[in-house]
Amino acid sequence: SYVLTQPPSVSVAPGQTARISCGGDNIGDKSVHWYQQKSGQAPVLVVHDDSDRPSGIPERFSGSNSRNTATLTITRVEAGDEADYYCQVWDNNSDHWIFGGGTKLTVL
Amino acid sequence: QVHLVQSGAEVRKPGASVKASCKTSGYSFTRYYVHWVRQAPGGGLEWIGVINPSGGYTRYAQKFQGRVTVTMDTSTATVYMQLNNLRFEDTAVYFCSRVGEDTALEYWGQGTLVTVSS
Repeated sequence: SYVLTQPPSVSVAPGQTARISCGGDNIGDKSVHWYQQKSGQAPVLVVHDDSDRPSGIPERFSGSNSRNTATLTITRVEAGDEADYYCQVWDNNSDHWIFGGGTKLTVL
Repeated sequence: QVHLVQSGAEVRKPGASVKASCKTSGYSFTRYYVHWVRQAPGGGLEWIGVINPSGGYTRYAQKFQGRVTVTMDTSTATVYMQLNNLRFEDTAVYFCSRVGEDTALEYWGQGTLVTVSS
């Protein structure tokens, strides 16, 4: 089955740029979605279709996807961005929705 | 405005079953797939399955095949997830979620905590 690999943790100082990767075999051929989940809350979609932002999501959140790695980029990081982030794809071969293992973003 | 409201917390013994509900509102029920996703304590998100409310097509993660059933009631715009033969490791928060215009999970319920304890 298709596997998505994320780093367990990423740390960044306030005002800096955070990059969270999501690796998968030829993931560039798939649409990648990203979710933010704060402690005790339901996930929130922050990027869909590789690089589109839902209404209400700040422009500081952006995404890219190429070959074997998709990346969520958060510029001008704020304390409120501290959360777990998950990538997700639909695997057309298995008709399964797949999540990455999640990355904990710590704002120093 | 789209809303997904889930049923309350449940406690079950090992071997029992649980049926969680997800009442939707604010959109055309049959137009969008609804998924179930769970999260064990301290763990990540895990996809369980999906239903297409237009026709009732379902698809389940291999891990849950044979133990889970997702159904719907179009008259009340409600989706249900039943998990049988519960194990301690099924203790988790179970979320329902509706897709947007693609395969992303755009709208989420508040979650239902299921605790399996003897």
